[in-house]
Amino acid sequence: DAGITQSPRHKVTETGTPVTLRCHQTENHRYMYWYRQDPGHGLRLIHYSYGVKDTDKGEVSDGYSVSRSKTEDFLLTLESATSSQTSVYFCAIGGQEGNQPQHFGDGTRLSIL
Amino acid sequence: QKEVEQDPGPLSVPEGAIVSLNCTYSNSAFQYFMWYRQYSRKGPELLMYTYSSGNKEDGRFTAQVDKSSKYISLFIRDSQPSDSATYLCAMSEGGSYIPTFGRGTSLIVHP
Repeated sequence: DAGITQSPRHKVTETGTPVTLRCHQTENHRYMYWYRQDPGHGLRLIHYSYGVKDTDKGEVSDGYSVSRSKTEDFLLTLESATSSQTSVYFCAIGGQEGNQPQHFGDGTRLSIL
Repeated sequence: QKEVEQDPGPLSVPEGAIVSLNCTYSNSAFQYFMWYRQYSRKGPELLMYTYSSGNKEDGRFTAQVDKSSKYISLFIRDSQPSDSATYLCAMSEGGSYIPTFGRGTSLIVHP
């Protein structure tokens, strides 16, 4: 396993509440990513980080923010959750020099009622 | 049209069959090609990683890239019920660390 831990693994919350998902890695990778996976859409990139305090948007970043204060932790925040953000969220690491492939965590299943 | 096309399946085969999974793409700048396997309620797991054209073999798995046709394949020999999963292809440009993923093909291997 690539040493990626996502927490929580499951969460149910209500519309309008803030939600924070955590990704923790033990591989000291510079690059970290947040994806969501939905039926019919596959994996879509939300945000990524290329270093501590260095982040950028992916293709579906609206409604999400991220922070990275330490190499090992990458947080994804839904400031005010909506039902359209019900999804499975995956964290990935990798993609440094030499185009190393990404490795994924086991996901957080988020339901927003 | 999505950059990477992958038939969602499901593809159902008997145990022991040879399985062929495929992706087509439109971006000629893609140079790195990956196959991931994803079991239900788990994250994608890297199976194969290849650069440019040609074949790569790892046990029962063979990855094939044909850049002239913009077509990649994953072959599974002697398929097992434990191979039942969703298989995602992914590819990236040289110098880019963010791959483009296919939507995945669901494979069912029945005993």
